[in-house]
Amino acid sequence: ETGVTQSPTHLIKTRGQQVTLRCSSQSGHNTVSWYQQALGQGPQFIFQYYREEENGRGNFPPRFSGLQFPNYSSELNVNALELDDSALYLCASSSKGQGNYNEQFFGPGTRLTVL
Amino acid sequence: DAKTTQPNSMESNEEEPVHLPCNHSTISGTDYIHWYRQLPSQGPEYVIHGLTSNVNNRMASLAIAEDRKSSTLILHRATLRDAAVYYCILRERNEKLTFGTGTRLTIIP
Repeated sequence: ETGVTQSPTHLIKTRGQQVTLRCSSQSGHNTVSWYQQALGQGPQFIFQYYREEENGRGNFPPRFSGLQFPNYSSELNVNALELDDSALYLCASSSKGQGNYNEQFFGPGTRLTVL
Repeated sequence: DAKTTQPNSMESNEEEPVHLPCNHSTISGTDYIHWYRQLPSQGPEYVIHGLTSNVNNRMASLAIAEDRKSSTLILHRATLRDAAVYYCILRERNEKLTFGTGTRLTIIP
C-alpha cells in the first residue's frame, strides 16, 4: 500500500509568482484535504476535494485554488504569492463514504518559501 | 469552529505512562474527539478517536469525561519515539480537522 506522496519537497518562489503543489493520495482513498502549517503553529485547513469537487473550504482567499483528478490525486495552486504564504503545505487523503471512521493520512508536506 | 485547550508542553520519563489532557467545553453532540501527533519533519499521524466511550488501540488509550467537556490521551509506556506535538481535535461532520497549537511532548531518557 503506497502512502500519501507530495511534490516537490521544497520550493522557493518570489512575491507575485504562482505555484502548483501536487499530492498523490493513498490507494483506495477518494478524498483529499489541504492544510497550511506556518512555523510553530498547527495545520490550518485550506479546502477538501471529494470526487473532483471542492467539498468545504477554510478561511483562505480565492487565490488559493485546487483540483482533484479522476485518479484522486490533487493539486494546490496559489496565485500572487505573498511573504506570509511561506509555510509547510500538507496534503491528507481519506476515504469518505465508509461510515464515520475516516482517518486522514498525511503526506510529508511541501516546504514553500516566498522571498 | 469548536475549540480545544491543551498545555503547551509536557515532559515525561521514558517507559512511564503519559497523560495528555485536553479541554473542549464547547463540544457539540456530533463532534468526534480525534488525536493526531506530528513527529519532527513529518506530517501529522492519526493516533486515536472517540465519541463518548473510552477507546483503546495499539498506540494509545482515550479517556473521555462523562460530560464530554474534556478528554485525556494516555500513552501507556512512553518511548523516545513518542516525542512529538500532540493535537487534540474536534472533528466536525464535514470532516474538517481544526488543529490548535498542540502539546509538545518531550521524553526524558
